[in-house]
Amino acid sequence: EVQLVQSGAEVKKPGESLRISCQGSGYRFTSNLISWVRQMPGKGLEWMGRIDPTDSETNYSPSFQGHVTMSVDKSQNTAYLQWTSLKASDTAIYYCARVGLRNWFDPWGQGTLVTVSS
Amino acid sequence: EIVLTQSPATLSLSPGERATLSCRTSQSVSSYLAWYQQKPGQAPRLLIYDASNRATGIPARFSGSGSGTDFTLTISSLEPEDFAVYYCQQRDYWPFLTFGGGTKVEIK
Repeated sequence: EVQLVQSGAEVKKPGESLRISCQGSGYRFTSNLISWVRQMPGKGLEWMGRIDPTDSETNYSPSFQGHVTMSVDKSQNTAYLQWTSLKASDTAIYYCARVGLRNWFDPWGQGTLVTVSS
Repeated sequence: EIVLTQSPATLSLSPGERATLSCRTSQSVSSYLAWYQQKPGQAPRLLIYDASNRATGIPARFSGSGSGTDFTLTISSLEPEDFAVYYCQQRDYWPFLTFGGGTKVEIK
């Protein structure tokens, strides 16, 4: 079974750094891109960007360029999303998704809730 | 950036009724449109890809149609588990993707 398992919920203070993870299993990790999607409380889905696990090439949405960093560790079949200085407005659920058949998102990870509050 | 506009924002229907959801794009996306279902507390799930193809395991009561700028997701007869939020997504301008704002299908 193809699965993406994300790291657990985080509570951070403004200005702190954070890295969350997304581990793939049930398929060859380097065969598919990984995308990240943000969902702010009670809101819709926002595509953040994507990373190619083969060579770590990234494309970021203009809305997120410079605010987050995507990376991978091929040896661990894991993708990461990182912030160097969190803001309260980063409070959201973050999903990773495999870019699969015909470049659509399938499946998705279960989501990681990030709460940033002083 | 391509903007996707979903309507209505909320659809109130009873089990067994037909649901028709609309997604309009600000520019043509050919048939590069997908629909996702999201239930409360769960991750989204791919329902329809390339405008009209059902993803693996998706029941036949879900169907998609359209091309260019106007797309429709139809649920022929609502089951209790179908009450959820539905999002459309375009990938015509890969790798820059956008989602619609969502349509909530609620029990009347």
